[in-house]
Amino acid sequence: DAGVIQSPRHEVTEMGQEVTLRCKPISGHNSLFWYRQTMMRGLELLIYFNNNVPIDDSGMPEDRFSAKMPNASFSTLKIQPSEPRDSAVYFCASSQEREQFFGPGTRLTVL
Amino acid sequence: GENVEQHPSTLSVQEGDSAVIKCTYSDSASNYFPWYKQELGKGPQLIIDIRSNVGEKKDQRIAVTLNKTAKHFSLHITETQPEDSAVYFCAASFQGSQGNLIFGKGTKLSVKP
Repeated sequence: DAGVIQSPRHEVTEMGQEVTLRCKPISGHNSLFWYRQTMMRGLELLIYFNNNVPIDDSGMPEDRFSAKMPNASFSTLKIQPSEPRDSAVYFCASSQEREQFFGPGTRLTVL
Repeated sequence: GENVEQHPSTLSVQEGDSAVIKCTYSDSASNYFPWYKQELGKGPQLIIDIRSNVGEKKDQRIAVTLNKTAKHFSLHITETQPEDSAVYFCAASFQGSQGNLIFGKGTKLSVKP
């Protein structure tokens, strides 16, 4: 298995632009998690899905952030409009039971 | 809500020495405790985990201990090597949380040759 796949690996954009991050979980996993990592706040859970249904989105910072999981093999995290304070590394993780497997992350820089 | 405290935030040891990282959790219903290692530019990788029905688990140079009464668990790395240098995260979850993990803030371990 290729593991969790995220794209793009790096994204540089200007303030106000829309950003879409993509994730393909490990086949057969039924839970998917989106995290944000910064030096100041560490690893923060933004939202997680179980069987494609959003379970807890209390970590989503504000309405500018949205996430979807249209099927078991794909999820997106969208930021619109983006702001410089959104600059961070965004990780996607998937799990079947307890063990979460992380993707390589997307490093987002908003200028 | 659930909270996980991790100490120390940074740790420097000489190659060959042991390293210990400690975490405490607040929710007594927590029953699964994984440890992740994150190398520079990579995502966190699971290195060992323990469930609440076990007090200790060992895998080669890595061991984890759990004290349910004190709500405390620790990672022990023996005979440290330079390649052990990374950021280590502890986490906790409870039955019914559908896999949701609460992470500590991380410990940056530096092993000096």
